[in-house]
Amino acid sequence: DTEVTQTPKHLVMGMTNKKSLKCEQHMGHRAMYWYKQKAKKPPELMFVYSYEKLSINESVPSRFSPECPNSSLLNLHLHALQPEDSALYLCASSQDILSSRNEQFFGPGTRLTVL
Amino acid sequence: SQQGEEDPQALSIQEGENATMNCSYKTSINNLQWYRQNSGRGLVHLILIRSNEREKHSGRLRVTLDTSKKSSSLLITASRAADTASYFCATDAKNFNKFYFGSGTKLNVKP
Repeated sequence: DTEVTQTPKHLVMGMTNKKSLKCEQHMGHRAMYWYKQKAKKPPELMFVYSYEKLSINESVPSRFSPECPNSSLLNLHLHALQPEDSALYLCASSQDILSSRNEQFFGPGTRLTVL
Repeated sequence: SQQGEEDPQALSIQEGENATMNCSYKTSINNLQWYRQNSGRGLVHLILIRSNEREKHSGRLRVTLDTSKKSSSLLITASRAADTASYFCATDAKNFNKFYFGSGTKLNVKP
């Protein structure tokens, strides 16, 4: 299985809602990533997990809270988001974060709209 | 901030022609990767070139890397309409374990 899956595909939420994005891979990868992508822009790295531990947080606001319950799953908990947080949220995984093994496999993304 | 810039921003060619995209970056890298993204979807890994390599081929793709100029190019030969997508370079910055995407080139291949 060489697939990264993400749910939901689309999410519309109000600024007071709490929701979660989910990502799953069964390739035995030990590094997982969250990216945010605005329209016509490149993906921007948000978080990196390595061996289920948070390795990098790119100064992301605390209204985004990542969680890695096990080596196959990665969640992104959302709370009190702003309309400018509307974007495509992409999950990716790689064998690990070392440069020799960090070719990333991406999921299809969750299209988030914050009203 | 992201460290890669790509040019051109947009490229429109006829099917069968070659397409060349360029990427420049700012810091020393371990490797450079190219990805393709179809409209609004996830990215697909195309090719990885290590900092000690100068050229790499994969099917119709040819990638070059010039670390002295901090630049890379992606050549797609004999393009097809199905190659229409956005193409991003991504650099693995040395000593940072971070991964930065370039600004992207939007390629349109007309049938």
